[in-house]
Amino acid sequence: GQNIDQPTEMTATEGAIVQINCTYQTSGFNGLFWYQQHAGEAPTFLSYNVLDGLEEKGRFSSFLSRSKGYSYLLLKELQMKDSASYLCASSDSNYQLIWGAGTKLIIKP
Amino acid sequence: GAVVSQHPSWVICKSGTSVKIECRSLDFQATTMFWYRQFPKQSLMLMATSNEGSKATYEQGVEKDKFLINHASLTLSTLTVTSAHPEDSSFYICSAREDGRDYNEQFFGPGTRLTVL
Repeated sequence: GQNIDQPTEMTATEGAIVQINCTYQTSGFNGLFWYQQHAGEAPTFLSYNVLDGLEEKGRFSSFLSRSKGYSYLLLKELQMKDSASYLCASSDSNYQLIWGAGTKLIIKP
Repeated sequence: GAVVSQHPSWVICKSGTSVKIECRSLDFQATTMFWYRQFPKQSLMLMATSNEGSKATYEQGVEKDKFLINHASLTLSTLTVTSAHPEDSSFYICSAREDGRDYNEQFFGPGTRLTVL
């Protein structure tokens, strides 16, 4: 079947590092996306991984292990504006996205 | 590049009326468009997938006669909520994908907030 799991909510401190995990079971896996969504707004693209390993993009990095069906999003030097929901989505063989429920990240000063 | 617009941004309507939401890809050809619905504090729920010139494919549990989708051109798709009721109040988001792009990424519109009184 198709399934995506990620934590419902996480809390972190401004300036710190946080890792948001995502596990997936997707038929015909074709890559893993991370999106950021602020309340009341549409999602915005953060990263895409299709090969194993770490992709770094400024303060954000994303990791994928295909054999384990596992990904994480790493956010460094957290800023208050990073408070948002982070959505993990896997792409299947038809390039359809299967969405996780999202992780609400709360940043405290 | 890869901008998707939605209109209107928000709409309030009376129960029983129909509402049309437009989704446009401004600088690319949207081979496929997706319509999502999101209730407060919940994740995106895919309603339907549409390819230009063909009928939309609806997800299980989504009434195709209630949510009419038209994808008449490579830059425009419309979602019409017919005979809207308060339980249809939600955040409706479209996304568009162009075949051949890296990642097969979906580009999202800004969303339309529908409130049915």
